[in-house]
Amino acid sequence: AQKITQTQPGMFVQEKEAVTLDCTYDTSDPSYGLFWYKQPSSGEMIFLIYQGSYDQQNATEGRYSLNFQKARKSANLVISASQLGDSAMYFCAMNQRGNNRKLIWGLGTSLAVNP
Amino acid sequence: GAVVSQHPSWVICKSGTSVKIECRSLDFQATTMFWYRQFPKQSLMLMATSNEGSKATYEQGVEKDKFLINHASLTLSTLTVTSAHPEDSSFYICSAASDSSSYEQYFGPGTRLTVT
Repeated sequence: AQKITQTQPGMFVQEKEAVTLDCTYDTSDPSYGLFWYKQPSSGEMIFLIYQGSYDQQNATEGRYSLNFQKARKSANLVISASQLGDSAMYFCAMNQRGNNRKLIWGLGTSLAVNP
Repeated sequence: GAVVSQHPSWVICKSGTSVKIECRSLDFQATTMFWYRQFPKQSLMLMATSNEGSKATYEQGVEKDKFLINHASLTLSTLTVTSAHPEDSSFYICSAASDSSSYEQYFGPGTRLTVT
């Protein structure tokens, strides 16, 4: 069965430092996509980054990068130069077998950025 | 970028009444919309998938007669919580996808429902 695991319920980071949020996944499909979303306290889900299973390079979007290790089935999110506004819940997700837009979600990691 | 709105952003209703939540794609045509609910400090739980012009597909354990979904046009889907009870209190989020991307979907800001 497909599954997303986020083992860090909460993380702290000092402002301006980098932080890595862990995500491992389980699937038997050769083709899949991995997503990271940010959910601030306001509740909206903000898309951060996407990695396709066949993408040769790790995805990057500004201060966000995805450390994709296919053999280990991990897709960790790296946030560089943390800002106070990065404090939020972060969810890792994977699209479901047979439906590219139906997502399987991890339990999330709460990130707090300290000044 | 693609924008999805939800209305209302929050609603309080009495037990036994029904409440309708709207999800609109403002600048694109959404062939598929998803409805999620989220309990405090938990992950998103997919309730149903709706495609324009056809009946919604509900996830296992979601009561289709209680959570009525109508995707009447390419820009609007509605979720009606019928005969609401306090246990239906939750955060409801919709997302919308078009045929222009194989994987992207855009989330609405969510609706917080409180049933008293």
